[in-house]
Amino acid sequence: AQKVTQAQTEISVVEKEDVTLDCVYETRDTTYYLFWYKQPPSGELVFLIRRNSFDEQNEISGRYSWNFQKSTSSFNFTITASQVVDSAVYFCASRNAGNMLTFGGGTRLMVKP
Amino acid sequence: DAGVIQSPRHEVTEMGQEVTLRCKPISGHDYLFWYRQTMMRGLELLIYFNNNVPIDDSGMPEDRFSAKMPNASFSTLKIQPSEPRDSAVYFCASSPGTFGEQFFGPGTRLTVL
Repeated sequence: AQKVTQAQTEISVVEKEDVTLDCVYETRDTTYYLFWYKQPPSGELVFLIRRNSFDEQNEISGRYSWNFQKSTSSFNFTITASQVVDSAVYFCASRNAGNMLTFGGGTRLMVKP
Repeated sequence: DAGVIQSPRHEVTEMGQEVTLRCKPISGHDYLFWYRQTMMRGLELLIYFNNNVPIDDSGMPEDRFSAKMPNASFSTLKIQPSEPRDSAVYFCASSPGTFGEQFFGPGTRLTVL
């Protein structure tokens, strides 16, 4: 069985601060994928990134970056120079060969002006 | 290209009534998923289909819930009879292939009075 833990239920920062959202996963599979989704106040779920278990390279996309470390079973997400529009709930998720996508509990990020 | 389409966007019904939620996946995607989101339980996978065939329905709460996918472009989630504890946002998602990212619909907010 898979499990995804997002220990931070809520984070509040001031605009332009950097913020890291933590994600720890548990799985017995050797092949799996990790995801991050954003859920803004409007409610839709927006796909941000997918990483497979064989690729530990960090990824950067604009102000977003992801740090995947198998040694600590973590897949953390950093927003640099946060903006008010980044305010949302962010979900980390894992998916195994059985196609079951398991979500963490989510981290609510509030970016204040 | 249109994303995942769900209808209705909002549904208010009375306890005991039948509720049918509808989903049109992205064309060409061979996996379809139904999720439920509540404050208490977060995002839960209810059931998923591959090529219109139900693969895993272990997340379906009880016999009151049923899902069908009569063809590649349409799926329904039915609750009969509905109960107040079924109140939640129900998401449909689709993905291409085994490890493709899941694209979510806007969700249906169900309120059972």
